[in-house]
Amino acid sequence: SQQGEEDPQALSIQEGENATMNCSYKTSINNLQWYRQNSGRGLVHLILIRSNEREKHSGRLRVTLDTSKKSSSLLITASRAADTASYFCATYAGAGGTSYGKLTFGQGTILTVHP
Amino acid sequence: DSGVTQTPKHLITATGQRVTLRCSPRSGDLSVYWYQQSLDQGLQFLIQYYNGEERAKGNILERFSAQQFPDLHSELNLSSLELGDSALYFCASSVLGTAQETQYFGPGTRLLVL
Repeated sequence: SQQGEEDPQALSIQEGENATMNCSYKTSINNLQWYRQNSGRGLVHLILIRSNEREKHSGRLRVTLDTSKKSSSLLITASRAADTASYFCATYAGAGGTSYGKLTFGQGTILTVHP
Repeated sequence: DSGVTQTPKHLITATGQRVTLRCSPRSGDLSVYWYQQSLDQGLQFLIQYYNGEERAKGNILERFSAQQFPDLHSELNLSSLELGDSALYFCASSVLGTAQETQYFGPGTRLLVL
């Protein structure tokens, strides 16, 4: 079963609006990452947030992490048509810096930004 | 461009056949991962190698095998192919293969089994 579950499954907005995607996971994590995938292409890493961090920013991206609720959110502000893609959260389970790099992905949120 | 290369981009083959997918990691990365993406299963971790040795195994079928060579490139071998093996296969790489790192993904190989 998937460790991360994204919500919503699909999101359709207008250019300039903000887009918020949520991710829930089941077990304790080392860190959580967000990736973007343009249709049928490779995944692009967006941001990594460690389990001891609560919020992280990167350009128009803002990620929050609530380990007590086992959830994370990705906010894209002032969205653009080029942001149209699928967005996945991914987690490393297990404690300790030597945990091996098995990423577990959610099913993803399909974001469509209309010009 | 992530710096990870995969060949071929597309592969069409028949059931029962065997194929080999190839991956070259980013320069300096010692660890390689393989993932399968299908409509029904989503993105699934298959296997990880670090400096030529298997490090972690996921949902990889016995019909599938992989290896990482001394020059750090990796190959994923899929044999006795079934229709359900049709999917996108991604390779990713990272420097040390630990849970603290970002993984950089290649563009994928799209496999279609007819």
